[in-house]
Amino acid sequence: GQNIDQPTEMTATEGAIVQINCTYQTSGFNGLFWYQQHAGEAPTFLSYNVLDGLEEKGRFSSFLSRSKGYSYLLLKELQMKDSASYLCAVRDSNYQLIWGAGTKLIIKP
Amino acid sequence: ETGVTQTPRHLVMGMTNKKSLKCEQHLGHNAMYWYKQSAKKPLELMFVYNFKEQTENNSVPSRFSPECPNSSHLFLHLHTLQPEDSALYLCASSPATSDLPDEQFFGPGTRLTVL
Repeated sequence: GQNIDQPTEMTATEGAIVQINCTYQTSGFNGLFWYQQHAGEAPTFLSYNVLDGLEEKGRFSSFLSRSKGYSYLLLKELQMKDSASYLCAVRDSNYQLIWGAGTKLIIKP
Repeated sequence: ETGVTQTPRHLVMGMTNKKSLKCEQHLGHNAMYWYKQSAKKPLELMFVYNFKEQTENNSVPSRFSPECPNSSHLFLHLHTLQPEDSALYLCASSPATSDLPDEQFFGPGTRLTVL
């Protein structure tokens, strides 16, 4: 079966750095996505990785290792507004997105 | 209106009721999706429409019936639902062209409660 694993919840301090991991086992691979979802709101697109390596976008970076079936989302200089759930999703060989259950990130002052 | 809109935002219905959820996208996209989101569970893809044609039905019970009259509008018709169908129902759209990453844009969702 297809599976995406990510931690259920993480806590970090304002101004710090946090890394949210995602491991996947899917039928084929056509890219990995990270989405942010604030409570009661729609998920919004953060990043996309299809080749190995690090993609940087401001305070957020996303890393992919296809051989290890592994990705992480790195958030720097954490702000209170970064408190949200972060969803990892992999596009499989049928071009469908397989979603993880999300990681709830709690930022403390 | 911009982006993806959904109505109603909240819906409470009995098991014998019939109701419909509406989704509209103002992005000129060619694909639209219905997802079910339950607490602490992954997003569950229900239906996919590409250029108004249904291309995916992930073993969804027949009490959920989708309709896509054009590439901008998507409906989810509900009848004789069960309490376990209570969840957040998200609509999304994507360009569905050859350009990557073809990310999905989500609406705010309809919070459905079945009594």
